[in-house]
Amino acid sequence: EIVLTQSPATLSLSPGERATLSCRASQSVTSYLDWYQQKPGQAPRLLIYDASNRATGIPARFSGSGSGTDFTLTISSLEPEDFAVYYCQQRSDWPRTFGQGTKVEIK
Amino acid sequence: EVQLLESGGGLVQPGGSLRLSCAASGFAFSSYAMTWVRHAPGKGLEWVSAISGGGVNTYYADSVKGRFTISRDNFKNTLYLQMNSLRAEDTALYYCAKGGWSSHFDYWGQGTLVTISS
Repeated sequence: EIVLTQSPATLSLSPGERATLSCRASQSVTSYLDWYQQKPGQAPRLLIYDASNRATGIPARFSGSGSGTDFTLTISSLEPEDFAVYYCQQRSDWPRTFGQGTKVEIK
Repeated sequence: EVQLLESGGGLVQPGGSLRLSCAASGFAFSSYAMTWVRHAPGKGLEWVSAISGGGVNTYYADSVKGRFTISRDNFKNTLYLQMNSLRAEDTALYYCAKGGWSSHFDYWGQGTLVTISS
């Protein structure tokens, strides 16, 4: 199965700072890579699909890039509501897999 | 408005069975693949199983293969997950999600909690 490795595990930042999250795949997933945000007590929410497309209603401060095996989610300027756990997920091959998550916490 | 409502979770002893349901509304249910994803306490999201829109094709995570069965009733707009031979490590919040075949998960339910304990 395709293993997704996210780094760092935890990112400690202040509001207004830039967040850069990484997701690396064990083999190419072309652009079939999505990003989800999950807050405590809530279901995951789609942020980015196909590596770089923002989902409906997602603010422009969220952007995704990459293809093949290396992907990045960038939050240009953190808002208080952005502190959460972020997961990447591949849909290039079965079984579908998630990364282990990156927690973005308030410094 | 798309809505996904899971039910059927509960406390079960190891070795027991449960059937989860996910009632869908607000979209053409039979036109979309559906997926189960779980979130164990203190861990990350884990993809569990997916089923095609017509219900013919299914896929499973290795951790549940042979124990769980995904199915759907397109007349009732309902997705199911039959879980047998349950283990402590199956304890999790189980979400159903729309999509997951060639598309992303654009809608999620709020989850149903499954606890396996003696």
